[in-house]
Amino acid sequence: QPVLTQPPSFSASPGESARLTCTLPSDINVHAYNMYWYQQKPGSPPRYLLHYYSDSDKGQGSGVPSRFSGSKDASANTGILLISGLQSEDEADYYCMIWPSNTWVFGGGTKLAVL
Amino acid sequence: EVQLLESGGDLVQPGGSLRLSCAASGFTFKNHDMSWVRQAPGKGLEWVAGISIGGGSTFYTDSVRGRFTISRDNPRNTLYLQLNSLRPEDTAVYYCVSTIIRPGDHWGQGTLVTVSS
Repeated sequence: QPVLTQPPSFSASPGESARLTCTLPSDINVHAYNMYWYQQKPGSPPRYLLHYYSDSDKGQGSGVPSRFSGSKDASANTGILLISGLQSEDEADYYCMIWPSNTWVFGGGTKLAVL
Repeated sequence: EVQLLESGGDLVQPGGSLRLSCAASGFTFKNHDMSWVRQAPGKGLEWVAGISIGGGSTFYTDSVRGRFTISRDNPRNTLYLQLNSLRPEDTAVYYCVSTIIRPGDHWGQGTLVTVSS
């Protein structure tokens, strides 16, 4: 199974933007996959945030603010979760996921601190 | 409102067995694929197994294939995970997860499985 690489931690101040990355191995093209993003706060199950395939194929989970958006960087073979206008409530773990060949593959997660 | 309620987690000795259940409500269970995802203490998410709408197709991560069995009872709106030959590294919170529109669009609260002597 492929390994999705996420930085273990990221920190930013309230009101700033956070660009969280999820890098695929070089033998898997990020353009070939929907990328899914989940948020998990301590003591709670994960919450579905959004999916991003392309600018014409993307979508938010129910109740997810538009401050959360997805994109891809083809040059880096990376999926991106952008959180704009950071709020203290955004402090959480964030996981990316792709769905190759009837399996789900998660990244290791990024712990976002809003300082 | 979609609800997924897991049960069956417990403390079990290495080599032991458990059956996890997930009672689903708030959606037409029989029409959607379902999965189990686990999270070891302080660690990230790991997909464990998935099952198609009729139960005819099942899929497993390599580390559990041959030891775990996913199944479903559509008339009872219930998803199951049979865990056999348990190992300490299977210790985790096990989440029942739906694919109603998108994979992982709804999660249960989880049930804790602890494998220890």
